[in-house]
Amino acid sequence: GAVVSQHPSWVICKSGTSVKIECRSLDFQATTMFWYRQFPKQSLMLMATSNEGSKATYEQGVEKDKFLINHASLTLSTLTVTSAHPEDSSFYICSGGSELNYGYTFGSGTRLTVV
Amino acid sequence: GQQLNQSPQSMFIQEGEDVSMNCTSSSIFNTWLWYKQEPGEGPVLLIALYKAGELTSNGRLTAQFGITRKDSFLNISASIPSDVGIYFCAGQDNNDMRFGAGTRLTVKP
Repeated sequence: GAVVSQHPSWVICKSGTSVKIECRSLDFQATTMFWYRQFPKQSLMLMATSNEGSKATYEQGVEKDKFLINHASLTLSTLTVTSAHPEDSSFYICSGGSELNYGYTFGSGTRLTVV
Repeated sequence: GQQLNQSPQSMFIQEGEDVSMNCTSSSIFNTWLWYKQEPGEGPVLLIALYKAGELTSNGRLTAQFGITRKDSFLNISASIPSDVGIYFCAGQDNNDMRFGAGTRLTVKP
């Protein structure tokens, strides 16, 4: 089945630094990648939707200059948290979609802790 | 954005009991999805529903897509300890996907 590989699975960074999270679709072409954030004991909140080769569409309240999304190829999308602060600490999950498995395949998530 | 109302928020049940949870929305969705998430992992798709009125089973799991396209339920029969986790419903409409708040299931042996 379709697999999305997400790395790193966890990261600890200092406040003010930037962190990049990668999601790769291993056996399908993800024309669309969704990025979610999940706080403890809460549901997944959609941050942005990116289509390969075009700019990401951000949800209301999500700062596009802080959460940089790149989807330059059909198999790779990245989320960079710039100038991270402790309040950015969260669980970030990507989900890759294509015509065959639209929005169905999630990465395993990245636990970000900003200290 | 659109919000899904998922209930109950949590359930504590005895092994062997049946479980039922549901989601409602103020908006119509073309697809309803049910996921299970275990700690520190991404959600895993359990059942996908594509047509209003559709009833689909996956082992001990059964889910239905409501006729109005604004609701869905998930049933788990004869629960076992490994059913423990958080279950999320999700509604999908074209390039938009929204999640319910989740139902935390605890199964006591």
